[in-house]
Amino acid sequence: DTGVSQDPRHKITKRGQNVTFRCDPISEHNRLYWYRQTLGQGPEFLTYFQNEAQLEKSRLLSDRFSAERPKGSFSTLEIQRTEQGDSAMYLCASSYLSGTGVSQPQHFGDGTRLSIL
Amino acid sequence: KNEVEQSPQNLTAQEGEFITINCSYSVGISALHWLQQHPGGGIVSLFMLSSGKKKHGRLIATINIQEKHSSLHITASHPRDSAVYICAVPGGSEKLVFGKGTKLTVNP
Repeated sequence: DTGVSQDPRHKITKRGQNVTFRCDPISEHNRLYWYRQTLGQGPEFLTYFQNEAQLEKSRLLSDRFSAERPKGSFSTLEIQRTEQGDSAMYLCASSYLSGTGVSQPQHFGDGTRLSIL
Repeated sequence: KNEVEQSPQNLTAQEGEFITINCSYSVGISALHWLQQHPGGGIVSLFMLSSGKKKHGRLIATINIQEKHSSLHITASHPRDSAVYICAVPGGSEKLVFGKGTKLTVNP
């Protein structure tokens, strides 16, 4: 178990640029979550996947944001035409939901800190 | 929608002191999570509990389902306990709703 891995750890970019983050969940985990955390606040839910299916998206996820999990393993979160307000920590978490519907605790990655200049 | 309130927002203690952090939520839940976040961002899950009390080392978490309240206690606090402690509850569809966190600083 190597834990949830996120890449990059830090991203600095100019306003208007596109950025893409990657999350590699724990290998046997079928659920993957994206959260966003701004300074001094708790994380807020963005979206989650069950295997490759994106099951829910928050209203926070504007049409500039897109997330994919093409093969049910790693996931990417892309932000197009970045804005100052996108500056935040983007956290990925994964968990395992059993066939009987019992959900295990979410395991978090170290996050990607995005700074928009 | 579940609302999560934590108190205090900031807490400074001397090494060795007993620490209590409180969490209240508005809607009945199946389980509550206590998380620890160190500077740099990484989040570690400390406890997931649905009733009673859980203990891990110097950390103790309790929950009162009827009162919709949970507490995280740290006994014999140490400077390495300095971190942000976050309470989280299910917000529907397995996603978590988080409190704003309690920033704990333990001075030697």
